[in-house]
Amino acid sequence: DTGVSQNPRHKITKRGQNVTFRCDPISEHNRLYWYRQTLGQGPEFLTYFQNEAQLEKSRLLSDRFSAERPKGSFSTLEIQRTEQGDSAMYLCASSLFTGGAGGYTFGSGTRLTVV
Amino acid sequence: GIQVEQSPPDLILQEGANSTLRCNFSDSVNNLQWFHQNPWGQLINLFYIPSGTKQNGRLSATTVATERYSLLYISSSQTTDSGVYFCTRASGSRLTFGEGTQLTVNP
Repeated sequence: DTGVSQNPRHKITKRGQNVTFRCDPISEHNRLYWYRQTLGQGPEFLTYFQNEAQLEKSRLLSDRFSAERPKGSFSTLEIQRTEQGDSAMYLCASSLFTGGAGGYTFGSGTRLTVV
Repeated sequence: GIQVEQSPPDLILQEGANSTLRCNFSDSVNNLQWFHQNPWGQLINLFYIPSGTKQNGRLSATTVATERYSLLYISSSQTTDSGVYFCTRASGSRLTFGEGTQLTVNP
């Protein structure tokens, strides 16, 4: 297994356009998480899935954001009508939940720039 | 909300030096983890350390849960140690990150 894979690595888009990012977790991991990181800050939680069920969403995840994990494997994060404030690094992580909170593995992220 | 405070915010070392990074919590230390984010943005899980002490090579970490803090020790630092070090606290399944310590190790 090559770890958590995210695509694309970089995305530049015009304000108002829609963008979609993909995350492929470690295959045996049942939990998948999305975080957002702006320059000079620590990552902030957006949402997470256990298998295909989306169990928690942050209030940071506005109506323009939607995430899916259709078969409990890969996940997509879509941002509609992008705004300049959406520019950030979007990080995906996965873990094998066995009752604790350890064992997070992060991907390399997708850096979004909205112009 | 729960505060995760890291110190120092910035640290510059000469290669070979030792350092200690600190993380304080305003509430209970819950499933504490330390991460290193390298200059290319990759976050690497260093330690899952809700309590006690762990060591991995030149790195070690100690969490004193009763006093709500954790320490990360880096010995004989190398230029590859440069990057941002984050401590995190778990609230359910979400991690709350501190603002990080930016470490620069000069050759």
